[in-house]
Amino acid sequence: AQSVTQPDIHITVSEGASLELRCNYSYGATPYLFWYVQSPGQGLQLLLKYFSGDTLVQGIKGFEAEFKRSQSSFNLRKPSVHWSDAAEYFCAVGGSSNTGKLIFGQGTTLQVKP
Amino acid sequence: SAVISQKPSRDICQRGTSLTIQCQVDSQVTMMFWYRQQPGQSLTLIATANQGSEATYESGFVIDKFPISRPNLTFSTLTVSNMSPEDSSIYLCSVVAGYTYEQYFGPGTRLTVT
Repeated sequence: AQSVTQPDIHITVSEGASLELRCNYSYGATPYLFWYVQSPGQGLQLLLKYFSGDTLVQGIKGFEAEFKRSQSSFNLRKPSVHWSDAAEYFCAVGGSSNTGKLIFGQGTTLQVKP
Repeated sequence: SAVISQKPSRDICQRGTSLTIQCQVDSQVTMMFWYRQQPGQSLTLIATANQGSEATYESGFVIDKFPISRPNLTFSTLTVSNMSPEDSSIYLCSVVAGYTYEQYFGPGTRLTVT
């Protein structure tokens, strides 16, 4: 079955510290992978995506993610977290079959300590 | 990217009534979707809104409860029918623009059913 797992429901980091949010997927075909951020009361904003090619992808707001096929993972990283990064982060997987459907993980809530 | 608007942004409705949510995109898009985000939960795909034909519903969602229209390539509506408190959620429309597979989300409609 197709699924996305974000093992960490809630993460707290200090401002300026590095961040890694984990995402594992199960998908039978070639996966298209996405990270979205949802700030309180806001819609979802696309941070970055992986379709093919270089397995390290850069996104907006200083985020990057690395696709590791052998581990079925697509972890999100940021070297130095800012207080404004506090939000809910969702990993999602779609397929190359062009249906456009996305399967979302449960989300990780990021809290940033001053 | 695409600019997506939704109306209403929020509403409080009584059980047994229906609410129609509108989704407007600033450009023609190939695919439009409707998602539900229950309180504290992740996103679940309700259906794919097909232009000029019946929507394609995901398991657990039926047309009688969530009728969807898509009269053209820039507009869609989702109706939540015969509402109960369990329908209290955020409803989001999303679009895939062109053939990038990037999916963009509207700001959402926060529905509370009393």
